[in-house]
Order: sequence, then C-alpha cells, then structure tokens
Amino acid sequence: ILNVEQSPQSLHVQEGDSTNFTCSFPSSNFYALHWYRWETAKSPEALFVMTLNGDEKKKGRISATLNTKEGYSYLYIKGSQPEDSATYLCASQADAGGTSYGKLTFGQGTILTVHP
Amino acid sequence: DAMVIQNPRYQVTQFGKPVTLSCSQTLNHNVMYWYQQKSSQAPKLLFHYYDKDFNNEADTPDNFQSRRPNTSFCFLDIRSPGLGDAAMYLCATSVPTISYEQYFGPGTRLTVT
Repeated sequence: ILNVEQSPQSLHVQEGDSTNFTCSFPSSNFYALHWYRWETAKSPEALFVMTLNGDEKKKGRISATLNTKEGYSYLYIKGSQPEDSATYLCASQADAGGTSYGKLTFGQGTILTVHP
Repeated sequence: DAMVIQNPRYQVTQFGKPVTLSCSQTLNHNVMYWYQQKSSQAPKLLFHYYDKDFNNEADTPDNFQSRRPNTSFCFLDIRSPGLGDAAMYLCATSVPTISYEQYFGPGTRLTVT
C-alpha cells in the first residue's frame, strides 16, 4: 500500500447500530496513526493518536485498534447516535520529527450518517 | 478559548485574481500547516512552518505561496487562481512533541469563478 486508504467512503446507519470502518496505510517507516472527526462547518477534531502495534484506544463509545505490521486500523462506534454523523479521517505519520515536523498523509475519509 | 481561526470561512475570487487566506492561532504552537482538500479527496499538505523555517511539499504548485510573519499568523497566497484551485483550505498547528497531534481551523472554502 502506497497511500492511506479508507473504506467505506460513506456509511448510513440507524441510531443505535454499531459500526466500524477501516484505514489502510503503508507499514514501512511507520511512526503514528491519527484519527480525526470532522463535523460539517466545524474544525476537524483529533480522536486518537496511536503508535504501537496492538494499541487500542477508547473515548466514550468510540474505540480504535492498530496493526502496524499489516498496516491497518479500525475505528468502532458502539450504539451510534445522530451526533456521531461526521467525516472520519485517518492519517499516517511516517516520521517523528526532523524536517518532517509531524507531517501527516490523510485518507479521503469515511462519511458517516446516523439516521434517527 | 485557545483555538485556530481561519478567515474568511468562504471566499470567492475570480480566475487569475490574487487571493489571500489567513490563519491565526492562540495556542502558541511552533508548527503551522496548510492543507488543500478538493471534493471527496484526502486533505493534501501544501507546506508547513516550524517557527520561521518553511517547508514546501515537492508537488505544491508555484502558484501557492505562504507567509508567517509571527508565531500567531500564517497566510496562504494564491497568485493566479485557476478553476482547479477551488477547494477547502485547512490550517493546522501542532506542538513538536512525540505525538504531533494537530489542531485544525474550520477551513476556508474557496470558489473560483
């Protein structure tokens, strides 16, 4: 994998459903994987930053896992609510610093719509 | 509240007419980034600053320039906008710690007529 890829591109679920989406990234020269939530007309907001293989992070009903050896991360939302509707972006960070200064390569995002 | 502010939120410019987008931050972060996101595509890094140190991405067109007069402000100048430059432009900041979590502004939606 050369780029960061997210699937699906969009997702419609009913309130109360649990859902998950995938981020694939280059596993070589990996440093960190970021997840952001971007609600319409607002700023993208950081959800998680993960660095270690096997990392699992949780914030309320949202959790994420990381597999650096195979180059993928899953984001899970348990019991989706309409306010979870947003674009979820993942981004791969290949270097810890130097001239890269935390440079991120983003996927195109997964657009989640939760219907009441 | 400390934040990243982008003005204007919506900008309309004419083909070939120079335009400047602005970003300010109250976070006192060393690093500032400009991203371009075209419809249904991934945000793409144009350039970033570490303090005054400017880093241009190799594929950023020469038509795009940036200025950072001080820690708080950063500007994106598009010298001769083309129709293909219509996009959402996002500004972000970070602290050069291990995680490099980025803090984003709400973006400026640029329309070129």
